[in-house]
Amino acid sequence: GQQVMQIPQYQHVQEGEDFTTYCNSSTTLSNIQWYKQRPGGHPVFLIQLVKSGEVKKQKRLTFQFGEAKKNSSLHITATQTTDVGTYFCAGHYGNNRLAFGKGNQVVVIP
Amino acid sequence: NAGVTQTPKFRVLKTGQSMTLLCAQDMNHEYMYWYRQDPGMGLRLIHYSVGEGTTAKGEVPDGYNVSRLKKQNFLLGLESAAPSQTSVYFCASSRLTSTDTQYFGPGTRLTVL
Repeated sequence: GQQVMQIPQYQHVQEGEDFTTYCNSSTTLSNIQWYKQRPGGHPVFLIQLVKSGEVKKQKRLTFQFGEAKKNSSLHITATQTTDVGTYFCAGHYGNNRLAFGKGNQVVVIP
Repeated sequence: NAGVTQTPKFRVLKTGQSMTLLCAQDMNHEYMYWYRQDPGMGLRLIHYSVGEGTTAKGEVPDGYNVSRLKKQNFLLGLESAAPSQTSVYFCASSRLTSTDTQYFGPGTRLTVL
């Protein structure tokens, strides 16, 4: 079935360092969304990417959508303890559903 | 504006018992969804609704039923609970289509013994 793969599944990041999480699909996506879930919380929408090659920034977060619209990445610079949580990508294939990846759980080491 | 609310927050059931989870949204959204979240499995879609009076199956619908009698409410029912249904259940809604932002409720933690 249609699914998106996220890598890595887990990351330990030193406070102050940068990290990237990736999302890949075997088939073309119409768009992709990113969500963040804090420990014990619920997923919260971060951003949506629609266009091929699109890049969007939110302060220390940079989101990219691949040229072929099959992959996406989230890059965070100068990691802070508030960045802890699980980051999900969700791919839309043009039907009525979003296919969520399994998430990238990020632990920040002070 | 409460957004998306879910009741109850926690529940423990015995195998074979039934229960209903209630999701309510006050944003006048058309689409509503039920997901389950298990460790290492991400979010898996159980059922969804594209409008009042409609429901459709998601990725993992077996063992669950849903109803959307009112636009603001989406109910998830477990007819005969099984230990495999131990999970955290999230309800979500989106404004007009599935490509719109999904707003999630706080979740219900269900344990089936």
